[in-house]
Amino acid sequence: AQKITQTQPGMFVQEKEAVTLDCTYDTSDPSYGLFWYKQPSSGEMIFLIYQGSYDQQNATEGRYSLNFQKARKSANLVISASQLGDSAMYFCAMREGFPYGQNFVFGPGTRLSVLP
Amino acid sequence: EPEVTQTPSHQVTQMGQEVILRCVPISNHLYFYWYRQILGQKVEFLVSFYNNEISEKSEIFDDQFSVERPDGSNFTLKIRSTKLEDSAMYFCASSEGGKGWNQPQHFGDGTRLSIL
Repeated sequence: AQKITQTQPGMFVQEKEAVTLDCTYDTSDPSYGLFWYKQPSSGEMIFLIYQGSYDQQNATEGRYSLNFQKARKSANLVISASQLGDSAMYFCAMREGFPYGQNFVFGPGTRLSVLP
Repeated sequence: EPEVTQTPSHQVTQMGQEVILRCVPISNHLYFYWYRQILGQKVEFLVSFYNNEISEKSEIFDDQFSVERPDGSNFTLKIRSTKLEDSAMYFCASSEGGKGWNQPQHFGDGTRLSIL
């Protein structure tokens, strides 16, 4: 079974508009972290934002925010005021707290294209 | 800001040859990781390393692979007798502490390995 699902293989958004990238996850561990990474065409992986399973508030980091719905097991990334430089692959990843799994499980990614 | 550095950025090797991919993790980080990403696919965990030994590995990380921390700064991935299917982007990552679900992993820019 897939632990991380990203149902949108590709998304388009107009520059300066907001966009939501979906991520749902599957875990029975009460302790886990959810992470979003950006991968531009140059290939590097850039950490964007983190949400912990016990966090009471949705994480925010500049133009990035996380719409965390724990009961639905979703952690959607919201990018406000899209910029051309936001065009990239976006990966949702999860790390479970027990048994101290140290690897991230990545989703398949969503390719975001920002249109001028 | 400190970063993970990987060399070389691109490695071309004949099938059957050995290859060593090099990484310098962030200096105060204690946990180190290797991931791979086959072109167009998701990022896959290979191995994690702590206190000079492997702490976790995936089924991908078979006897063909080995990791080493030869000195206080470098972290290497060795692939013996490379195969065509080893062609991928290999990412090194490090984290400050491993046993916490809220620890982001910081990725290097990757080494693109091409097996001919």
